[in-house]
Amino acid sequence: ETGVTQSPTHLIKTRGQQVTLRCSSQSGHNTVSWYQQALGQGPQFIFQYYREEENGRGNFPPRFSGLQFPNYSSELNVNALELDDSALYLCASSFGTGPLVPYEQYFGPGTRLTVT
Amino acid sequence: AQSVTQLDSQVPVFEEAPVELRCNYSSSVSVYLFWYVQYPNQGLQLLLKYLSGSTLVESINGFEAEFNKSQTSFHLRKPSVHISDTAEYFCAVLYNFNKFYFGSGTKLNVKP
Repeated sequence: ETGVTQSPTHLIKTRGQQVTLRCSSQSGHNTVSWYQQALGQGPQFIFQYYREEENGRGNFPPRFSGLQFPNYSSELNVNALELDDSALYLCASSFGTGPLVPYEQYFGPGTRLTVT
Repeated sequence: AQSVTQLDSQVPVFEEAPVELRCNYSSSVSVYLFWYVQYPNQGLQLLLKYLSGSTLVESINGFEAEFNKSQTSFHLRKPSVHISDTAEYFCAVLYNFNKFYFGSGTKLNVKP
């Protein structure tokens, strides 16, 4: 059983550019969440996808968008990059059995994005 | 707004001493609670969780946490720490079954 993987490991972009980060969920998982972890802070919830549909969103602007594919891999897209977008982006997968059932998440190692 | 508060940003402790990392959350509804550990340059690893049942939960490496509903707390404890426990620890709460809120983290520094 493979764990959660993310690519790339590190990325440097220029302000105003667009970036796509990728995540492969743990085998059998149907739910993926994305988080932004700024230096010295805890992860901040961006959004969650459940069976290819957005299932919840945190306090992030629309230039943060995502996709979940039929094989449950996922992408995070950020448009019009700003300096404050520099952070570690974490993907977490889980297996949801229903809308009102608690679950635990398994995190990938993250992608370190630097915006200059 | 929901929030998770970790009262100590850093906790220095000597090896083999006991430690408590504090976590409080704001909610009056059912919550599900987690502790994650993050080693340098790594992602988050689940340490332990409270979903239901016994309010005292344990991890495989000697940590335990107790869910206290009246005090809205989920403090993490270990009776005797090791150098290898040096890491950053995050408390998290699952709200509404689709959003995890994390605290700002506590850096545990175990000294020889």
